[in-house]
Amino acid sequence: DTAVSQTPKYLVTQMGNDKSIKCEQNLGHDTMYWYKQDSKKFLKIMFSYNNKELIINETVPNRFSPKSPDKAHLNLHINSLELGDSAVYFCASSPQAGGSGNTIYFGEGSWLTVV
Amino acid sequence: QKEVEQDPGPLSVPEGAIVSLNCTYSNSAFQYFMWYRQYSRKGPELLMYTYSSGNKEDGRFTAQVDKSSKYISLFIRDSQPSDSATYLCAILPRAGSYQLTFGKGTKLSVIP
Repeated sequence: DTAVSQTPKYLVTQMGNDKSIKCEQNLGHDTMYWYKQDSKKFLKIMFSYNNKELIINETVPNRFSPKSPDKAHLNLHINSLELGDSAVYFCASSPQAGGSGNTIYFGEGSWLTVV
Repeated sequence: QKEVEQDPGPLSVPEGAIVSLNCTYSNSAFQYFMWYRQYSRKGPELLMYTYSSGNKEDGRFTAQVDKSSKYISLFIRDSQPSDSATYLCAILPRAGSYQLTFGKGTKLSVIP
């Protein structure tokens, strides 16, 4: 049973479209994250939610909007997609804020290609 | 200066070799240091976790933190082809922080 699952795994779409990536964790964790991994494999945090409350909102364009309907789900909606949005998007979760032995579990990633 | 610097490689070694992977970081206040392994087309998975300075061993893997030099290392003994992956160092500034900062990752290939 997958701990952090995200859908779709692969997504090819045209510039200007709006798309969503869904994420669910069945670990009972309080904190969820979205990370972006670019073509150079650099993994960078975008958002973090703790118990449905936005904790981290890095310098990300307003076209990206996370939504957490409950603490087991964190979806990512992207408006007006641009070529530069092509990347792998990873959802992750942790029991609470990191540190003190807590670990962050990642999903398998969603490969987004904008053409 | 970036918070975490890591040589992206690629690094290619023969099976059985000892592998040394390294990162440097900028802020001496950082406390929690991790190594993640990422196989191709998969998400990162936690491999080793160290708090403050010192060594930590788990099977063939040893994580080392030198806070005086702001240098962290991962050693893999008796490397296997199944170790072929990208290894990312990651740093958490302090307990309770949500901000895990990753290095760029080093791609390792272990040749049979």
